[in-house]
Amino acid sequence: AQKVTQAQTEISVVEKEDVTLDCVYETRDTTYYLFWYKQPPSGELVFLIRRNSFDEQNEISGRYSWNFQKSTSSFNFTITASQVVDSAVYFCALIEIKAAGNKLTFGGGTRVLVKP
Amino acid sequence: GAGVSQSPRYKVAKRGQDVALRCDPISGHVSLFWYQQALGQGPEFLTYFQNEAQLDKSGLPSDRFFAERPEGSVSTLKIQRTQQEDSAVYLCASSLRDYSTDTQYFGPGTRLTVL
Repeated sequence: AQKVTQAQTEISVVEKEDVTLDCVYETRDTTYYLFWYKQPPSGELVFLIRRNSFDEQNEISGRYSWNFQKSTSSFNFTITASQVVDSAVYFCALIEIKAAGNKLTFGGGTRVLVKP
Repeated sequence: GAGVSQSPRYKVAKRGQDVALRCDPISGHVSLFWYQQALGQGPEFLTYFQNEAQLDKSGLPSDRFFAERPEGSVSTLKIQRTQQEDSAVYLCASSLRDYSTDTQYFGPGTRLTVL
């Protein structure tokens, strides 16, 4: 069965520091999708990125960047020059390709606290 | 455009009461999911609908949990004879098609507290 592990439960940084969130996954499938979601204090999960298992190209979106390493089953997320508004819980998640309607399997989340 | 909405946002129930949680998905979205998020943990899958058909209910923790989506849009998650261990945030998500890889968009959740 698939599994997602986020070993860091909480990270505290000072504004403008960079922060990297680790995500390690387990799956038997060769085709799968990985996601990152942000959960601010309001509680709603906000979609950040989706990446398929065949695309190992790293991606940058503004201050966010993602490093996908299939060889180590990792999909790490970096926030550059962090801001107070980045304070939230971040979840990594996995979908295996099977029949329609697959469930997201989430990691336990990493709480990021950015201090001014 | 409107996102996924859920109501109520907060629900307090006495142990043994029945509760009903509502989800309004994004208009036109075929797929609808329910997840349960315990305090300090990641969401866990409960059930999945493709239009009005419930295709996967493998995550429902007991037969006290029941979900429906009779007209393929609004969905209701019902919990009968609530127990304290049912206290959690219940999240609803929808995606445009019935493709397993489509991005799921989440609502704000309903926080259920069972006393």
